[in-house]
Amino acid sequence: EAGVAQSPRYKIIEKRQSVAFWCNPISGHATLYWYQQILGQGPKLLIQFQNNGVVDDSQLPKDRFSAERLKGVDSTLKIQPAKLEDSAVYLCASSLDLDTQYFGPGTRLTVL
Amino acid sequence: DQQVKQNSPSLSVQEGRISILNCDYTNSMFDYFLWYKKYPAEGPTFLISISSIKDKNEDGRFTVFLNKSAKHLSLHIVPSQPGDSAVYFCAGQTGANNLFFGTGTRLTVIP
Repeated sequence: EAGVAQSPRYKIIEKRQSVAFWCNPISGHATLYWYQQILGQGPKLLIQFQNNGVVDDSQLPKDRFSAERLKGVDSTLKIQPAKLEDSAVYLCASSLDLDTQYFGPGTRLTVL
Repeated sequence: DQQVKQNSPSLSVQEGRISILNCDYTNSMFDYFLWYKKYPAEGPTFLISISSIKDKNEDGRFTVFLNKSAKHLSLHIVPSQPGDSAVYFCAGQTGANNLFFGTGTRLTVIP
């Protein structure tokens, strides 16, 4: 069974630029999560989807971050414009329902 | 507000000995507690969990203990193996399956 796929693996941008990350969850998994992990910290939930609906986006900085999961499968997370403090690893996870979360390898973002 | 805390950033243990990783939490509403293991350049991998109504769960070499009155849990690995060297994250889970992670403990098992 294929795991959670994410791309790109690494991205370097300058502040005020835009960036987008892509996630393909495990086949059949209804729930998808985006986490932000800043260096030296644990992952922090940004947004949770159940199929193509948002369950929780209370921690998402909505002035610059957006996410969508249009067909209930793949998802994209966008940052526009990026700030220095957005440098982090962005992790995507999926679960069959509200159970064990399986994580992708993450996208390491560096904002200069 | 850090709801889950791992106060030891690192731990070194000799191969074959016991590794004990500790975790404290403040949110009494967590339904489950989980441990994830993370290797460099990979995402966290689920290791073991425990329901908030239990005080122990065992899976092979891994045992998690929960002390609700102290709001403390620990992961025991015995015997420790070099392949166990990784960063271990403790997490509390709410009913909506939201995970709140600690800052992690880097375990090094010395051959």
